[in-house]
Amino acid sequence: QSALTQPRSVSGSPGQSVTISCTGTSSDVGGYDHVSWYQQHPGKAPKFLIYDVNKRPSGVPDRFYGSKSGNTASLTISGLQAEDEADYYCCSYAGRSTFVFGIGTEVTVL
Amino acid sequence: DVQLVESGGGLVQPGGSLRLSCEASGFPFTNYWINWVRQAPGKALQWVANIKQDLTEKNYVDSVKGRFTISRDNARMSVSLQMNSLRAEDTAVYYCATWGAHGPFDFWGQGTLVTVSS
Repeated sequence: QSALTQPRSVSGSPGQSVTISCTGTSSDVGGYDHVSWYQQHPGKAPKFLIYDVNKRPSGVPDRFYGSKSGNTASLTISGLQAEDEADYYCCSYAGRSTFVFGIGTEVTVL
Repeated sequence: DVQLVESGGGLVQPGGSLRLSCEASGFPFTNYWINWVRQAPGKALQWVANIKQDLTEKNYVDSVKGRFTISRDNARMSVSLQMNSLRAEDTAVYYCATWGAHGPFDFWGQGTLVTVSS
């Protein structure tokens, strides 16, 4: 049940794209196509962004795109906007109805 | 609208107990697992526990096994987290969150702060 590895921070200018990686093991990220992503603004509850690697809940812009290769999942934010500045967390199913989150990535819009 | 409202947080001494509640409304409660997720100050999210719709399955992160107990009352649309033998490292905002057809943690409450300190 070790936390998934994410970069501590990424940054980009408005309109650019940024990609956040999320590395786990064959027991979590690599073992299941159940990776989800969450956006959290300071002092707020997390918001559901992506599920099952690359599916978006209704209302989430298609600027947010998820993918996975092996033990690493990724979230790409294209057309970066000021309101995208937030913390982002990946999460993977880890078997037996348990979950593990990533350490979180701070996205800064320059 | 989906609503999850946590309550019961507060200041407790190490070794003490606290019971958190999560009251749900606006969705078919019995179709969802319910989870507790916590976030220590300035730290990452951590999944803590969950409970199945029919109460037949409960799961916990290793660090709380034997100390925390999750329960639910489907008639009252509520979930509780009984926390015993609390430690300083349990200090966090505790969120309840659903696990529905579209994936885990699709809806979240606003959180309740638990502080374990002497």
